[in-house]
Amino acid sequence: GESVGLHLPTLSVQEGDNSIINCAYSNSASDYFIWYKQESGKGPQFIIDIRSNMDKRQGQRVTVLLNKTVKHLSLQIAATQPGDSAVYFCAEKNAGNMLTFGGGTRLMVKP
Amino acid sequence: DTAVSQTPKYLVTQMGNDKSIKCEQNLGHDTMYWYKQDSKKFLKIMFSYNNKELIINETVPNRFSPKSPDKAHLNLHINSLELGDSAVYFCASSSAATNYGYTFGSGTRLTVV
Repeated sequence: GESVGLHLPTLSVQEGDNSIINCAYSNSASDYFIWYKQESGKGPQFIIDIRSNMDKRQGQRVTVLLNKTVKHLSLQIAATQPGDSAVYFCAEKNAGNMLTFGGGTRLMVKP
Repeated sequence: DTAVSQTPKYLVTQMGNDKSIKCEQNLGHDTMYWYKQDSKKFLKIMFSYNNKELIINETVPNRFSPKSPDKAHLNLHINSLELGDSAVYFCASSSAATNYGYTFGSGTRLTVV
């Protein structure tokens, strides 16, 4: 979904803790969702994806959960590390194969 | 080899000038995109282009125009630059093989003074 906020939400976690980043998407017809990580001065990088016929997908230290009933997506990062500090975006694929991005969440990891 | 490369990485120019940002992808993808990222990190689609179809976000001023000399390149040309055009511009590419998940370039920070 699109961000309507005036600032970038920030999640601050202690190194070693688990992080959960949430996203609300807008289009109930979207069939594919992706989480991206953007580090300072770089472009967004693919982390993990999920199709609409699934409700959970796991990667290395990351898990994406999809709740289509309430149009909600979450990214869970286990044992968060300083290198996980970045801005995280969810994206949904629309008709025309374009991605619409959420507003982003800044994750700050405290050592 | 960089998959999606943009040049220049930084661009500082005066109001009223015309400038271009270049993008090349070596992934064999069939669709390329331009996104604008504002100071709040919000990513907004500007254009989607493959060799058959150009899709333009209707909110993009017509001072912005994509130019694609071939399937691997999608350049962004901007006429009569304005202060509000200052942002980071990202090129991306995708294909059916990736379910249209994007690979992004590293961005071009445009500053209009």
